[in-house]
Order: sequence, then C-alpha cells, then structure tokens
Amino acid sequence: KAGVTQTPRYLIKTRGQQVTLSCSPISGHRSVSWYQQTPGQGLQFLFEYFSETQRNKGNFPGRFSGRQFSNSRSEMNVSTLELGDSALYLCASKRGDTYEQYFGPGTRLTVT
Amino acid sequence: GQQLNQSPQSMFIQEGEDVSMNCTSSSIFNTWLWYKQEPGEGPVLLIALYKAGELTSNGRLTAQFGITRKDSFLNISASIPSDVGIYFCAARETSGSRLTFGEGTQLTVNP
Repeated sequence: KAGVTQTPRYLIKTRGQQVTLSCSPISGHRSVSWYQQTPGQGLQFLFEYFSETQRNKGNFPGRFSGRQFSNSRSEMNVSTLELGDSALYLCASKRGDTYEQYFGPGTRLTVT
Repeated sequence: GQQLNQSPQSMFIQEGEDVSMNCTSSSIFNTWLWYKQEPGEGPVLLIALYKAGELTSNGRLTAQFGITRKDSFLNISASIPSDVGIYFCAARETSGSRLTFGEGTQLTVNP
C-alpha cells in the first residue's frame, strides 16, 4: 500500500507571496492532519480534516488555511508569507477509527 | 496548551549499548505513540500504546504507557548504527484525536 505523498518536496518563495501544499493520504484513510516542524518549536499542529470538514485547529494565524477534497486529498495554503514560515510542513493521515497517524516526507518551504 | 517533556534531548552511545528515553506531562493522555525521524524524511511510527501500564515491543524496541497516564518510555536494546535519528513521543488528549509532540531525542550511535 502506498504511503502518504506530499508535493512539492521543496519550495522557495519570497515574503508576501502565497503557497499551496498538497497531500495525498494512504488509501482508505479519511483523516488528514497538517503539522509545522521547525528546529525551535518542534512539531506544531496546524489542523485536521475528516470527510472534507475541519475537525480540529491549532494556534496558527488565519493566514494558514486548508481544505480536503472528496477523495480525501488535502491542501494547505499559506498567504502573505513571512520569513518565520520557513519550515518543514508535514502531512499525516489515519483511518477514522484509530489514532495512529502516518506521516508523509514533508514539504520543505523556504521563505526569502 | 498541554506539553510533553521529553528527555534526554540528545544521546551519544556506542553500538551495542541499550538506550532509554522518556516523556512526561502534567496532563493525562489516552494514547501514546513513538516515532523516529531521519534527516529529510517524515516521522515513522514505531509503537502505539493504548492502555495504562501497557508494555509493547517492536523488535529491539520496547515502550510502556505509564500507570498514571502522564508518561511513557521507550527502550532500544543492543543499538546499531541505523538507529540514528530523532525519536519523538506523541500523545493524544483525552478527547479528540489531536496529537501533542515532545521535543525529540537526538540519538547518535558510534560504531
């Protein structure tokens, strides 16, 4: 069974731009969560989607948003990028009835 | 918010040695998970624990869900060079499915 895939793997943007990251969960997994990983803050929860609905949200500004499609694929968008948004963005999927999340390889975003 | 205190932050050991790391919190959790992350990759799930007192093994790895539900530990026996990486604990709150992560333990194994 294929794992979680994320595209693109690497991205360089400039301040003020916006970016969209994509995540395809493991087949059959309907829950997708997004995390931001930085050396200083560790893994921080952004939001979780289940059946196209946001089920949970972390403490990030409104510039961070996401959505989920009917095939469970998810996207997250960051608008008006700031230097501090440089991070590894990880997507994780799980079946609806378990708590074991499986991560993708991440998208490394660099904001210059 | 809830926090997990993971220790040690880093470990430098010789191949063949046993390793122990733990996570503690002042909050109660219903699920503990342990992950390993290698450079350039996402975290990989190693062990999941669902009951207080539960002891679970995965090869040379053993993890336990603390009786108080506020802590968990991970042991690695007879370490090998490919054990190198960052190990994270993660815990699920008593309601919902959101995970909180520890700060990670950076493990270095010298051959």
